[in-house]
Parts: sequence; structure tokens; C-alpha cells
Amino acid sequence: AQTVTQSQPEMSVQEAETVTLSCTYDTSESDYYLFWYKQPPSRQMILVIRQEAYKQQNATENRFSVNFQKAAKSFSLKISDSQLGDAAMYFCAYHRDTDKLIFGTGTRLQVFP
Amino acid sequence: EPEVTQTPSHQVTQMGQEVILRCVPISNHLYFYWYRQILGQKVEFLVSFYNNEISEKSEIFDDQFSVERPDGSNFTLKIRSTKLEDSAMYFCASSGDRGFYGYTFGSGTRLTVV
Repeated sequence: AQTVTQSQPEMSVQEAETVTLSCTYDTSESDYYLFWYKQPPSRQMILVIRQEAYKQQNATENRFSVNFQKAAKSFSLKISDSQLGDAAMYFCAYHRDTDKLIFGTGTRLQVFP
Repeated sequence: EPEVTQTPSHQVTQMGQEVILRCVPISNHLYFYWYRQILGQKVEFLVSFYNNEISEKSEIFDDQFSVERPDGSNFTLKIRSTKLEDSAMYFCASSGDRGFYGYTFGSGTRLTVV
């Protein structure tokens, strides 16, 4: 069964600095999709970035980028130029050709001015 | 930008009562989901729904739970006889492409069972 692991329950970063959140996953499949979701205090789940496993190029969305290492089954999220509004829970998630999205346990990111 | 709308935002109910959580998915989406998040814990899959039937459900989704798309726009989750452990945040999500481009989540319903 597929699993997603986020080993950092909490991280903190100073405003304008860069932070990297870690995620590893376990699967025997070769085609799948990986996501990072942000959950601010409002509790809404917001899609941050998406990676297709068959694409070697790392996805980028403005200040957010990923480091996707397929062989190592690693999918980290880098947030550059951190802003106070980036403070939230971040969930890594895996999806394949089944209906369910499998989430990690989340990393709480604090941003200090 | 299209949204998934959930109502109510917060519901308090007595143990043993029935509750219905409502969702309006994005209009041209075909796949619908319910997830729940017990406070401070991970987000768990409950059920997926496509073409007017359940396509997958988790072990959590037992006989106390049911889903319905009664009128082509709403998507509801019913809990027949609530238990204390049903207290959680319930998220509805929809997708136009079976989730390959990510799901759009609603803002959630916080269910408190007392």
C-alpha cells in the first residue's frame, strides 16, 4: 500500500528566507502524481503545486518549487522569500489511478518577521 | 475562480442524531469526494463518487455513512447515528479529471458531536 511520510511536524523560517519541507513516499508504481497542499488557519485545503512522476523537470509555481527525486521517492517543497501569509500546515499527497488522495501527516510552518 | 461550497461551516449535534453535510461541487466536475480530518491529525479519505455511484470507499465509511447527489448540483454526506468519534472537519472535493490535476476542496464543515 502507498504511504506518505512527512518527518518534520514543525518548521520555522524568518520572513524573506527560504525553507524546505520534506516528504517521502512509498509506492511500487511508476506513474503517479504528487501534490503539496496548504492548510491555513481557515482550514481550507489549497493546492500549492503538482508534480507528474513521468516528468523529470521539477515543478515551479512562483516562490514554490519542488525537488522531485523519483528513485529516492522524495518530494520536497521549497518556499523562497517566505512571507507571513505562508504560515500554515503543509500536506504532501500522493495520487495514482485510484480515486483517493493519500496525505502525509503534515508539517506546520511558522514564519517569523 | 470556481469554488466548492460547503454548508454549514459548523454543526453541533447530539450523539445518536442524524446529520447531513452539504456540498456544491464545481459545476463541470464529474468526480466527487469526502475526506475528514480529526483535529490535529491527518486528512483521511472517506468516499469517492462518480456517475451517480460510489467508486471507492474507505474502512471508515461504514453503514452509518451514505452519500447522495440528489439533484445534479448538490453532493451530500449523511451520518445516520453520530458518535463522539465522528467529531471532525469534513471536506468535500471535486475534480474534472479524476484528480490528476489536483482536487478542489471546499472550506469544510466542522462537525461537533456532544
